[in-house]
Amino acid sequence: AQSVTQPDIHITVSEGASLELRCNYSYGATPYLFWYVQSPGQGLQLLLKYFSGDTLVQGIKGFEAEFKRSQSSFNLRKPSVHWSDAAEYFCAVGARGGSYIPTFGRGTSLIVHP
Amino acid sequence: KAGVTQTPRYLIKTRGQQVTLSCSPISGHRSVSWYQQTPGQGLQFLFEYFSETQRNKGNFPGRFSGRQFSNSRSEMNVSTLELGDSALYLCASSSDTGRQETQYFGPGTRLLVL
Repeated sequence: AQSVTQPDIHITVSEGASLELRCNYSYGATPYLFWYVQSPGQGLQLLLKYFSGDTLVQGIKGFEAEFKRSQSSFNLRKPSVHWSDAAEYFCAVGARGGSYIPTFGRGTSLIVHP
Repeated sequence: KAGVTQTPRYLIKTRGQQVTLSCSPISGHRSVSWYQQTPGQGLQFLFEYFSETQRNKGNFPGRFSGRQFSNSRSEMNVSTLELGDSALYLCASSSDTGRQETQYFGPGTRLLVL
């Protein structure tokens, strides 16, 4: 069974600073990988996804993520954080083949200081 | 194109009651999945429906059930509510036309069981 680990429960950064949120997955093959963002009281919005091809994936709102097979990681990055980026971020992994159901990590809460 | 809609947005019930939540997927999407989100357990998959058939089911008791109608709208029902059922219930839809599908989430229904 697949699983996802987001080692950081909370991350605090200053506005304008760079950001990296960590995600490690466990799966027997190359999975589908996703990052979602959830603002308070809202559903999840897809930031970016990796299915195949280029291991550096560009997403919305200036986010990018890099799939590293050797490290089983899919870390999310942003060069300059805005106050509006404060939210909960979820990494998810989906199995290839058959019916795709994502397994989510526990999330990382991003706090942005002015 | 309208997004995923969920009704009601907020709900208060008492223990022992039952509740029905509704989800209208994005037009053209045939797959609808339900998730429960709690602070303690995170995001957990409940079940997935495709073309009116339950295709996948998570590890939840039989008190949790669902169905999908011919127009792809879905309902989930929780009978004999328990305090622990208090959660944000998220619905997601996807077109499920191939292997590179993405789920789009609704804003959720927040259920409070007293």
